[in-house]
Amino acid sequence: AQSVAQPEDQVNVAEGNPLTVKCTYSVSGNPYLFWYVQYPNRGLQFLLKYITGDNLVKGSYGFEAEFNKSQTSFHLKKPSALVSDSALYFCAVRDPRRGARQLTFGSGTQLTVLP
Amino acid sequence: DAGVIQSPRHEVTEMGQEVTLRCKPISGHNSLFWYRQTMMRGLELLIYFNNNVPIDDSGMPEDRFSAKMPNASFSTLKIQPSEPRDSAVYFCASSELAGATETQYFGPGTRLLVL
Repeated sequence: AQSVAQPEDQVNVAEGNPLTVKCTYSVSGNPYLFWYVQYPNRGLQFLLKYITGDNLVKGSYGFEAEFNKSQTSFHLKKPSALVSDSALYFCAVRDPRRGARQLTFGSGTQLTVLP
Repeated sequence: DAGVIQSPRHEVTEMGQEVTLRCKPISGHNSLFWYRQTMMRGLELLIYFNNNVPIDDSGMPEDRFSAKMPNASFSTLKIQPSEPRDSAVYFCASSELAGATETQYFGPGTRLLVL
């Protein structure tokens, strides 16, 4: 079965500092990996995805994520955090070999950027 | 594009009442997903449709839940009778049926409170 782990419920970082939100996954084959962000009282908003190719994926709002197959990780990063980045972040995985199209989401990481 | 539209945004009802949640997917998208979000269980897929046909409803909690998609632009999720443990945020998402790499786009959600 496919699964995703976000080991940190909460991440705090000072504005202007780099941020990292961690994600590890477990699938049988090569995964498709996604990051979504959720602002208060809003739906999930797509940030970026890894399907194949370059391990460093660039997405919206200056975010990027690095796929590391040996460590089965897909950490979300941003070089310089903004207060407006404060939100709930979800990592998700899909195992294409299963043929199913549903995403499996992690439990979410609350990012707080302190001014 | 207006994005995925859900109604109502908030619903408060009493135990035993019927609840109907509505979703309009993004025009041109032919896959639709219903998710439920709670603090305890995170994001769970309830059911998804391809070309208006239910494909996997294994996530539907029990017979009190039912979902329909009578046409490409409309879907409903019904709970009858509702119970307090059904209180959650229900999200609808849509995507193009383009294989496993497609991205799901989420609506703003319906916040349901069953008293």
